[in-house]
Amino acid sequence: EAGVAQSPRYKIIEKRQSVAFWCNPISGHATLYWYQQILGQGPKLLIQFQNNGVVDDSQLPKDRFSAERLKGVDSTLKIQPAKLEDSAVYLCASSLGNFGEQYFGPGTRLTVT
Amino acid sequence: EDKVVQSPLSLVVHEGDTVTLNCSYEVTNFRSLLWYKQEKKAPTFLFMLTSSGIEKKSGRLSSILDKKELFSILNITATQTGDSAVYLCAVEATRDDKIIFGKGTRLHILP
Repeated sequence: EAGVAQSPRYKIIEKRQSVAFWCNPISGHATLYWYQQILGQGPKLLIQFQNNGVVDDSQLPKDRFSAERLKGVDSTLKIQPAKLEDSAVYLCASSLGNFGEQYFGPGTRLTVT
Repeated sequence: EDKVVQSPLSLVVHEGDTVTLNCSYEVTNFRSLLWYKQEKKAPTFLFMLTSSGIEKKSGRLSSILDKKELFSILNITATQTGDSAVYLCAVEATRDDKIIFGKGTRLHILP
């Protein structure tokens, strides 16, 4: 069974530039999550999709972050414009239902200079 | 405010020792508590606990939940260098299907 795929694995951008991350969840998983993990911290949920609908985006900084999951399969997370404090690992995860065991992708390490 | 607190934040022990990692929580409408192991980037699932007092076990790892005192422990016996990782605790709430992670415990096993 293929795992959760993410790309790119690493990205370095300057502040005020824009960046996009892509995630393809495990086939058949209805729920997709995007997390931000700053060094030394636990993952912070940014947005949770169930199929192509948003379940929770209460911690998504909507002035600069956006995410979509068209067709209820893969998803993109965008940051525009980036700030220095956005430097983090962005993890995507998926699960069969809307709770329980999540399967994580390898993450994208973003460095904003 | 909902929160999950893990302790200790870091721990260094020798191979063969037994360790106990703690996770306490304050979450409205608790549904479940999950433990993950994070070695490089991607956390991998260890246990999900929903009922008090029922131990979950997998090899040298075990975990138990106390819903009255609002905490869980993760035990690792006969530790090996491969157990070195960050151990994350997460709590799910039924309201809005919210999930909150703790900061993790960084465990380092010395050979």
